[in-house]
Amino acid sequence: GAVVSQHPSRVICKSGTSVKIECRSLDFQATTMFWYRQFPKKSLMLMATSNEGSKATYEQGVEKDKFLINHASLTLSTLTVTSAHPEDSSFYICSASGVRGGELFFGEGSRLTVL
Amino acid sequence: QKEVEQDPGPLSVPEGAIVSLNCTYSNSAFQYFMWYRQYSRKGPELLMYTYSSGNKEDGRFTAQVDKSSKYISLFIRDSQPSDSATYLCAMSVGNSGNTPLVFGKGTRLSVIA
Repeated sequence: GAVVSQHPSRVICKSGTSVKIECRSLDFQATTMFWYRQFPKKSLMLMATSNEGSKATYEQGVEKDKFLINHASLTLSTLTVTSAHPEDSSFYICSASGVRGGELFFGEGSRLTVL
Repeated sequence: QKEVEQDPGPLSVPEGAIVSLNCTYSNSAFQYFMWYRQYSRKGPELLMYTYSSGNKEDGRFTAQVDKSSKYISLFIRDSQPSDSATYLCAMSVGNSGNTPLVFGKGTRLSVIA
């Protein structure tokens, strides 16, 4: 099946620093990727929709200047958490549409801990 | 009312039991329905994908969609300890290639050997 790779899987940083998370589709081209955030005991919350070559579409309440999303190629999207704070600590997951229409494949997720 | 409701559990069953997981939804425009399995600290893994109403079977897993009742189910037969995970239902109004999914909160399942 289609594979989506996410890196890093775990990152710890100091408050005020920026962290970049990469999401790669390994065996297919993904024109659209999605970024989610997951809190303990809560569902996946969509943060933004990332389309290759254009600006990301952010969900209401998500700060686009804080969560910078770049989708420069058909196989790579990045999420940069700028000036991270402890409340940004969470599990961030990307997904991309599969080769069969209507299916999404997820990355393994990235655990961000901001001290 | 939230768009997708899912009992968070936790649900604990003995090995070999039949497990029934369910979600209800309010948006009648949903056409695509999925079940994902998520192990601790991992990304969700697609288990079942169905379009519109009906049943779909894959090994020990059966997905049911009842659009008239806005209700979907996932059945797991002969449950195994390796099935212990969080199961998320998800749905969308269109082809999720460019339409984001709406998720339930997930049901945590434990299968006891």
